[in-house]
Amino acid sequence: DAKTTQPNSMESNEEEPVHLPCNHSTISGTDYIHWYRQLPSQGPEYVIHGLTSNVNNRMASLAIAEDRKSSTLILHRATLRDAAVYYCILRRGPLGTGFQKLVFGTGTRLLVSP
Amino acid sequence: ETGVTQSPTHLIKTRGQQVTLRCSSQSGHNTVSWYQQALGQGPQFIFQYYREEENGRGNFPPRFSGLQFPNYSSELNVNALELDDSALYLCASTQGRGPRSTDTQYFGPGTRLTVL
Repeated sequence: DAKTTQPNSMESNEEEPVHLPCNHSTISGTDYIHWYRQLPSQGPEYVIHGLTSNVNNRMASLAIAEDRKSSTLILHRATLRDAAVYYCILRRGPLGTGFQKLVFGTGTRLLVSP
Repeated sequence: ETGVTQSPTHLIKTRGQQVTLRCSSQSGHNTVSWYQQALGQGPQFIFQYYREEENGRGNFPPRFSGLQFPNYSSELNVNALELDDSALYLCASTQGRGPRSTDTQYFGPGTRLTVL
């Protein structure tokens, strides 16, 4: 399984942007980059995913390096509710292939201060 | 749209016992995955079911088994419980395969299992 590397923890102040980095130097051409987060006492929650181009949704933006060996999850204005563990995951294979599993690392714990 | 639900919320068992955990998938989802999350770790993939058949398995022993029912709900069974089985067990559903397949997995809140 392709591996990702993330910092153990990061801190931010409320209403400031947050950039969460992820290295995935062994990524292959068909690996999608997924981000999930896990709030305290909850199951993981999907945030965003992409393949090559930068992606935006209502929760966050995903910036993917040109060589795809790294990516950055961007929270544009952190709120207290964004305090969670953020997981960067590589998912192999195209959509609709049936078998899907997420290989989680230990993630980045984001602390948000008022 | 009903989300993924799991029962029970918490469970305490003793070593050697057997346990069954239940999961109801999100409406319209035909694929269910189970994950084990030890304290301070990320979730680890146990297995996945698609249309009542096991569709892939992680590195877990055979005493971890599962079922998926025609309504796509699922059970995780663990026999001969060991102390290291104490963890949060997460169920995730998705729409796998076909034109409406999606890459997003929707997780339930989990069942906290404690083995004494």
